[in-house]
Amino acid sequence: GESVGLHLPTLSVQEGDNSIINCAYSNSASDYFIWYKQESGKGPQFIIDIRSNMDKRQGQRVTVLLNKTVKHLSLQIAATQPGDSAVYFCAEKISGLWQGGKLIFGQGTELSVKP
Amino acid sequence: GAVVSQHPSWVICKSGTSVKIECRSLDFQATTMFWYRQFPKQSLMLMATSNEGSKATYEQGVEKDKFLINHASLTLSTLTVTSAHPEDSSFYICSALTGTGGSYEQYFGPGTRLTVT
Repeated sequence: GESVGLHLPTLSVQEGDNSIINCAYSNSASDYFIWYKQESGKGPQFIIDIRSNMDKRQGQRVTVLLNKTVKHLSLQIAATQPGDSAVYFCAEKISGLWQGGKLIFGQGTELSVKP
Repeated sequence: GAVVSQHPSWVICKSGTSVKIECRSLDFQATTMFWYRQFPKQSLMLMATSNEGSKATYEQGVEKDKFLINHASLTLSTLTVTSAHPEDSSFYICSALTGTGGSYEQYFGPGTRLTVT
């Protein structure tokens, strides 16, 4: 859901460990979810997406899990590397078709990877 | 891959002046573009949806007369911050939508850092 006014939670992990970043979304009608990575001073970068008819999707070193029952999304990063240090946002697409739809970003989590 | 650019990447202006930010889709056409603002250590907040050839749709609480959006072509949307004040200082990010049928993707620009003194 909307996160204006909140500050980012942080997650600190050791290089090589797995990271799990969680996100709660707000709208049970949302049908599409995306994880973005944002490095300092840059725009969001697409990582992985998942549709509401799936509960798991895997990419290269990343896995997204969707639990519609509790409206929860997670991003798992395997063998975390220093280059993974960034802020990670989940986003939900509101309102069906893209033409009328929009992305609403979650709070975000700052991931810090220690070498 | 699809590329979205923003210009300028950063701008400093004096209080009371207006600033225009451009968002361009470089290698694709986008009938829909979105404008977000982001304060430090916070999430992206959608300001408005910009549709080519029509008026922008603003989110609740966003002043349309202060944040003027023009989407004059399929590759360019502009955001003008009018009579800027220090509280308008923020990171402004645009995105462009591309796709057909039931498959769409949204590509983000690199952002514009606005500082109002």
